[in-house]
Amino acid sequence: ELKVEQNPLFLSMQEGKNYTIYCNYSTTSDRLYWYRQDPGKSLESLFVLLSNGAVKQEGRLMASLDTKARLSTLHITAAVHDLSATYFCAVDGGTSGSRLTFGEGTQLTVNP
Amino acid sequence: KAGVTQTPRYLIKTRGQQVTLSCSPISGHRSVSWYQQTPGQGLQFLFEYFSETQRNKGNFPGRFSGRQFSNSRSEMNVSTLELGDSALYLCASSLARGRYEQYFGPGTRLTVT
Repeated sequence: ELKVEQNPLFLSMQEGKNYTIYCNYSTTSDRLYWYRQDPGKSLESLFVLLSNGAVKQEGRLMASLDTKARLSTLHITAAVHDLSATYFCAVDGGTSGSRLTFGEGTQLTVNP
Repeated sequence: KAGVTQTPRYLIKTRGQQVTLSCSPISGHRSVSWYQQTPGQGLQFLFEYFSETQRNKGNFPGRFSGRQFSNSRSEMNVSTLELGDSALYLCASSLARGRYEQYFGPGTRLTVT
């Protein structure tokens, strides 16, 4: 059974600081996704990582994937308040279909 | 291009009743997946439909069922509702199966009393 673990689960940081969220998964997969969720809202797609060594950046967020280590990271650079949200990583363990297994989520609060 | 739409957005039902939720995927998308989100269990996969056939199913009891129509719209049904079925139900669509990004709808918030 595929397991996905994120850490930390709660992150409180100051504006302007850098931090990294980690996502570990238990079985082989080369499809990993990062989503953002604001309170009471749906999931917004941030990054799609489809190969070992993939790195994608959008604004202050950068995601990477190491399939050999079964690890993805979401790095936050110079955090701003607008980044406050819950971030989920999800791994697609389906051999040919779409079946996402989500991590527990990291609740990020960026304080002024 | 319109996003994924789900109806209704909010629903209150009583234990023992049944409920049907609807999902319209992005135009041209043929794969629809359903997820349940609760504070205790997090986000869990329910099922995936493609070409009107269920392709994957998560670990949920038979009370949870679904179907997909020829226009790729999908419905999920929950019979004999239990309090624990209270959740946000999210539908996601993708172009096809496999290595395609899934786009999520706004969700249906179901409350069972």
